[in-house]
Amino acid sequence: GAVVSQHPSWVICKSGTSVKIECRSLDFQATTMFWYRQFPKQSLMLMATSNEGSKATYEQGVEKDKFLINHASLTLSTLTVTSAHPEDSSFYICSASLSGGDVKPSYEQYFGPGTRLTVT
Amino acid sequence: GEDVEQSLFLSVREGDSSVINCTYTDSSSTYLYWYKQEPGAGLQLLTYIFSNMDMKQDQRLTVLLNKKDKHLSLRIADTQTGDSAIYFCAESINTASKLTFGTGTRLQVTL
Repeated sequence: GAVVSQHPSWVICKSGTSVKIECRSLDFQATTMFWYRQFPKQSLMLMATSNEGSKATYEQGVEKDKFLINHASLTLSTLTVTSAHPEDSSFYICSASLSGGDVKPSYEQYFGPGTRLTVT
Repeated sequence: GEDVEQSLFLSVREGDSSVINCTYTDSSSTYLYWYKQEPGAGLQLLTYIFSNMDMKQDQRLTVLLNKKDKHLSLRIADTQTGDSAIYFCAESINTASKLTFGTGTRLQVTL
């Protein structure tokens, strides 16, 4: 259980276009989803925290108008890279935390497989 | 802000034990994690430890936590070639808060 998927797994787009990446929790409800960015041979850097039904919280230095995050339901969050440029090329990874309520709290975030974005 | 440091590279022979170290600065860290990332893939949670624990063992994995020194280690017994990957330690204050990742340690297992 606790599977997170991302779509697409890789995408190549032209500079100036926008790209949408989906993150889905397949078999659980995720109150909170996180979006990370990973440059080659580097660690993951948190971009934003997304809570269902509310605006995302962006980390310092992350442009909210460029990286649009929507968390419309408990199983889906989307990241849209607007007007992409070659420097936006990166590996984007989402993660999801189980919701509370009757569900036993999970002490982990479940990670998606990542989306590799290449902007030409 | 939080800072999590790891050594960049570790090479071990197949069958030997691997020890990957991690230091962190945030004294309010409550949960500490070890993740494994294989090339081009997402992260796989290996194990986690609460800050009120000193040690946790799970099959070939042993996690040691020295809270006083803010030092975390992951020992992999009988290291196999399939263990070759990048290992990240991470910390968080609670389960719903953000994870701060270490710089990652690339483990290379040789025959």
